[in-house]
Amino acid sequence: DAGVTQSPTHLIKTRGQQVTLRCSPKSGHDTVSWYQQALGQGPQFIFQYYEEEERQRGNFPDRFSGHQFPNYSSELNVNALLLGDSALYLCASRSQGHYGYTFGSGTRLTVV
Amino acid sequence: AQSVAQPEDQVNVAEGNPLTVKCTYSVSGNPYLFWYVQYPNRGLQFLLKYITGDNLVKGSYGFEAEFNKSQTSFHLKKPSALVSDSALYFCAVRDESSASKIIFGSGTRLSIRP
Repeated sequence: DAGVTQSPTHLIKTRGQQVTLRCSPKSGHDTVSWYQQALGQGPQFIFQYYEEEERQRGNFPDRFSGHQFPNYSSELNVNALLLGDSALYLCASRSQGHYGYTFGSGTRLTVV
Repeated sequence: AQSVAQPEDQVNVAEGNPLTVKCTYSVSGNPYLFWYVQYPNRGLQFLLKYITGDNLVKGSYGFEAEFNKSQTSFHLKKPSALVSDSALYFCAVRDESSASKIIFGSGTRLSIRP
């Protein structure tokens, strides 16, 4: 049973560019959340997707957007990248009505 | 607003000794609490959770946590530490307004010396 799969594992982008990160949830899970973990800090909630809609959003600017597909997989898009966007981006999935959150290994984004 | 606090940036323990990683929480209702571990360049691995029931929760890799409502604490414990337990540990609480939003502490680096 595969867990949460994220791609790519590492990414280097230039300031001002746009990036797309991908996440496949654990089998049986239908809800996907995204987190940003800056170096030396705990993860911060970006947003959550369920039934292909953004349901809840953390304190992140509109440059951060996402999408969920019918197969429950999800994308995180970040526009106009800033140096401060450099972080580990984590995807977490769960099944509605349950509290078992499963995290992926993350995508390490470096903005230069 | 809900929050968790991990008062220790680093905890150092000799192998074979018991370990405790501290966490306190602040919520207005009943807390849903979690512990996660993170190894270098890896994602978060679930250790255990408290939702309701027994105050002593047993989890993965021999870890357990004690929920104390009067002290609003949820300390992580292990009777005998292993060098392989060295990692970054996060305490977390579920946001009361969203079941998918987890609020993490700042993390505690656990270092086990041989």
